[in-house]
Parts: sequence; structure tokens; C-alpha cells
Amino acid sequence: DGGITQSPKYLFRKEGQNVTLSCEQNLNHDAMYWYRQDPGQGLRLIYYSQIVNDFQKGDIAEGYSVSREKKESFPLTVTSAQKNPTAFYLCASSTSGFSYEQYFGPGTRLTVT
Amino acid sequence: GQNIDQPTEMTATEGAIVQINCTYQTSGFNGLFWYQQHAGEAPTFLSYNVLDGLEEKGRFSSFLSRSKGYSYLLLKELQMKDSASYLCAVRDGNAGNMLTFGGGTRLMVKP
Repeated sequence: DGGITQSPKYLFRKEGQNVTLSCEQNLNHDAMYWYRQDPGQGLRLIYYSQIVNDFQKGDIAEGYSVSREKKESFPLTVTSAQKNPTAFYLCASSTSGFSYEQYFGPGTRLTVT
Repeated sequence: GQNIDQPTEMTATEGAIVQINCTYQTSGFNGLFWYQQHAGEAPTFLSYNVLDGLEEKGRFSSFLSRSKGYSYLLLKELQMKDSASYLCAVRDGNAGNMLTFGGGTRLMVKP
């Protein structure tokens, strides 16, 4: 059945290492998004992509990078330049850019020590 | 930019009614969303308002007043499973229709 998958559910890394979070969707959606969620701060947009091979920075893109080589996939790399990488990361998709409804994946909780 | 305010926490009793408020300030309002998020899980869509008034969906209703920059989510006949965070999100037409989320309201339903 259709949906968005993120893996892994929990991820642990040492400070100074880059780490890539996976996001795959089989909903045939054009647009995909990455959000970061910290306690009490809601969701903040990191990057979004409205079409394959194109992506735009969100509000907090520094220290992150993305690629969109395939419609189904939108991986997020958390680089060592990100000052406070420990957070809950949510991937979402929608039929077109910021359209009516975004569907969210189950999230990846990243802990960096 | 945008500013979205919601209460941090609320408590209500099973079977009762609860109203979760959201106020916002934005120059290019183009719709308001409510999402439900259980702890450690993905947010799920509840409702969408772009015009003034009340939208009803079963036990959940959402109201919007654009002139007041105000919305509320009304939950009736509360059930224990309604214990979750409720996120208000505003779409800004002046910012490519990007969504800005409030901090969320954590609702605890007690027996």
C-alpha cells in the first residue's frame, strides 16, 4: 500500500560524522519536504523539492544537504557543520508544491553525542 | 515572517469538549491546517480552513476568522486516544505557500 517510509527509526552518531536519513514515497507525489522537530518548537522546514532534480532551502537549511535524483526519494544529509543535530526529523510529500495536504513519514530520531 | 501561538498544554476529561486555540500573524495568509501527532509518530492531517467559518468532521471541528488571525480546533466526546499534540500550521502565499507550524498543544485526556 502507498505511503512514506523513513529509515531507520532511531539513529545514533558521534559528533563530527555526516549522516544520511532516508525518505522514500510511492504515492507518486511531485513535492517532498524535510522538517526538523524539537520539543515545544513545532516543525521547521529544512529543505523542499517540488520536482525531480530541483530543491530549495527552507528556514533552517544550514548544516544540511539534500538530493532529488528520483521522484520517489529525497535523502537528507546532516553534516558535521550542523551545530545541534539531535532532533526528530520528519519527511513529507504532497501532490504538488505546498498543496492542500502533506503526508508525513514516521520520522527518524537522530541522536548525536 | 510569521508568528503562530498555541497553548503548550491542556487537560480535559474523557467525554467532554475541548477547544484548542491558535492565533497567527502573517502577511500572505493562504490557509490554515490542523494536524494531530501522537508522541514519536508522524503528524496526521485533521482539517483545513481557508475561508471564515466552521468546518465540521465528525467529532472534530475547526473554525477560522481571518480578520482576527484566529482559529480553533474543537474536539467533542473526548476519548483517551485523543491524547496527543495538535499542531496549527499556516500557509503563507507571500512565501511560496510554505507552511509555518506552531509549537503544538499537548492535550492530555483523563478518565
